[in-house]
Amino acid sequence: ETGVTQTPRHLVMGMTNKKSLKCEQHLGHNAMYWYKQSAKKPLELMFVYNFKEQTENNSVPSRFSPECPNSSHLFLHLHTLQPEDSALYLCASSHTPTPLGGYEQYFGPGTRLTVT
Amino acid sequence: GQQVMQIPQYQHVQEGEDFTTYCNSSTTLSNIQWYKQRPGGHPVFLIQLVKSGEVKKQKRLTFQFGEAKKNSSLHITATQTTDVGTYFCAGPGDSNYQLIWGAGTKLIIKP
Repeated sequence: ETGVTQTPRHLVMGMTNKKSLKCEQHLGHNAMYWYKQSAKKPLELMFVYNFKEQTENNSVPSRFSPECPNSSHLFLHLHTLQPEDSALYLCASSHTPTPLGGYEQYFGPGTRLTVT
Repeated sequence: GQQVMQIPQYQHVQEGEDFTTYCNSSTTLSNIQWYKQRPGGHPVFLIQLVKSGEVKKQKRLTFQFGEAKKNSSLHITATQTTDVGTYFCAGPGDSNYQLIWGAGTKLIIKP
């Protein structure tokens, strides 16, 4: 499946580093999402963009900074992370949800982040 | 806040046995989605249920949405090694964009 791609697939960074995660979708969707997946925890929604506009920010610390230059690309800029930020970061996309219901989300393979 | 509880956390079965996972919401859901995540993989959409009491089948998988639209289940008949993975339910949150995810049920096939 190559509908949603993410790079890099693995990232090890120190607490003082700055890095960026990239996501690209080729499905013609308008909504893009960042999720954090930690062991033994439910998927945590971090940010949502629809038509490049941020619609959700679920109280995410400012050390995570999203960017959505267009409907196909989504970035997550990382700086001064903590070890507890180590997790799998998943990008997803979908058609724009409606009040009657959402649409299925298509996920990328994720970036496995380790903060040392 | 809104929660989706999913049980059990793990289920060990012999190949050929059945598997069931249950989701319960603290609020009425307009719809519920189910996803599967293979080990080392990412969540993949399986199905969305919308109607009260709805039952949908995909080969050996049977999905149900409760009459009150607050609970749902996924039942797999005669599990196979290809069924291994974690199954998640997800319901809409406070906004159209939010999905509230269950913690997942991991299906493990005993050797």
